Amino acid sequence: LAKTTQPISMDSYEGQEVNITCSHNNIATNDYITWYQQFPSQGPRFIIQGYKTKVTNEVASLFIPADRKSSTLSLPRVSLSDTAVYYCLVGDLSGNQFYFGTGTSLTVIP
Amino acid sequence: EADIYQTPRYLVIGTGKKITLECSQTMGHDKMYWYQQDPGMELHLIHYSYGVNSTEKGDLSSESTVSRIRTEHFPLTLESARPSHTSQYLCASSATGGPTGELFFGEGSRLTVL
Repeated sequence: LAKTTQPISMDSYEGQEVNITCSHNNIATNDYITWYQQFPSQGPRFIIQGYKTKVTNEVASLFIPADRKSSTLSLPRVSLSDTAVYYCLVGDLSGNQFYFGTGTSLTVIP
Repeated sequence: EADIYQTPRYLVIGTGKKITLECSQTMGHDKMYWYQQDPGMELHLIHYSYGVNSTEKGDLSSESTVSRIRTEHFPLTLESARPSHTSQYLCASSATGGPTGELFFGEGSRLTVL
């Protein structure tokens, strides 16, 4: 299973774009990159998933370079409600085991 | 909205008691998981199941046990609770062969052992 490394914490002002980078140097050919968001006292929630290049949905974008050894979650124009912990997971879609790393605690400041 | 439910949401019990945390999902997912998470800390996988009668231990050693007799139900049991078991327990499920392998989480069961 590919190990992931993320910054422990980040601060951002409301309205700014936030980019959270995840390193996964030993990602395997069949692995996808998935990001989850967790609010206090709740279970994580799926945000976005990608294999390569760029993926965009209604809440975020995911940028994956050609070597796939890292990925960047981009949150456009964050608001206070985006304050949460963001986890990067790497694994194949068979989903036999999902391992969460330490995550990045994002604090949005008014 | 994910259809996965955990009960109880909060439980305070004394040392030595037997407890069972319930987890049920109505999505027909084959795979189910239990995670343990202390406040402000990362999630640790303690048990998972590929389907009925299948259970495996995760990366974090746990004194709890699980069973999977029905697809929709994945209870976790502690035979003799201790203060070191105080934590939040999160149940999740995912579909085999689904487009994303997305995990759906319940709201968690917060256990306090006195």
